[in-house]
Amino acid sequence: GQQLNQSPQSMFIQEGEDVSMNCTSSSIFNTWLWYKQDPGEGPVLLIALYKAGELTSNGRLTAQFGITRKDSFLNISASIPSDVGIYFCAGPRFNNAGNMLTFGGGTRLMVKP
Amino acid sequence: EAGVAQSPRYKIIEKRQSVAFWCNPISGHATLYWYQQILGQGPKLLIQFQNNGVVDDSQLPKDRFSAERLKGVDSTLKIQPAKLEDSAVYLCASSLAVRGIEAFFGQGTRLTVV
Repeated sequence: GQQLNQSPQSMFIQEGEDVSMNCTSSSIFNTWLWYKQDPGEGPVLLIALYKAGELTSNGRLTAQFGITRKDSFLNISASIPSDVGIYFCAGPRFNNAGNMLTFGGGTRLMVKP
Repeated sequence: EAGVAQSPRYKIIEKRQSVAFWCNPISGHATLYWYQQILGQGPKLLIQFQNNGVVDDSQLPKDRFSAERLKGVDSTLKIQPAKLEDSAVYLCASSLAVRGIEAFFGQGTRLTVV
């Protein structure tokens, strides 16, 4: 089935640095979603991408929908301690009655103050 | 607007016992999902409802897991009997429509089977 591969698996950076992570698939996706999960909480939607080539920002976060429709990138500028968490990409796998969201394995971000 | 509500937040049971989780989705959301998230992994879909009907349960271990969504609103997920490998966070999510991709998650129930 469709799998989403995220890299890196983890990152340990200094506060103020920019961060880049990506998500790839062997299959084409028509939508890409990026979620953040804080410890002990459910994932929270950060950015949704619906068109190949689309570049969307949400504050210090910027995500891009790859032209091939097989990848997506998430960038965080000027990281701060509250950016700590696990970032997941997700995309829909269409089943017989609609869609189901498939998640990548996540990128764990740690920020050193 | 209230988010997705789940209870309990935490549960510890012995193997072979039964357990049930409850979810109340965002008002008006037709689609409800149950995900299992094992430590260090991304969420894995167990079952998807559209109103009160099941649209996908291909990854639900049906010999021990069951779920229902009566009246198309609240949902319960049950495990009977539990195994050690069922220890995970069980996440409920909802979205506005069947093809509405943007799912909103509850805080999850952390299950520990000892």
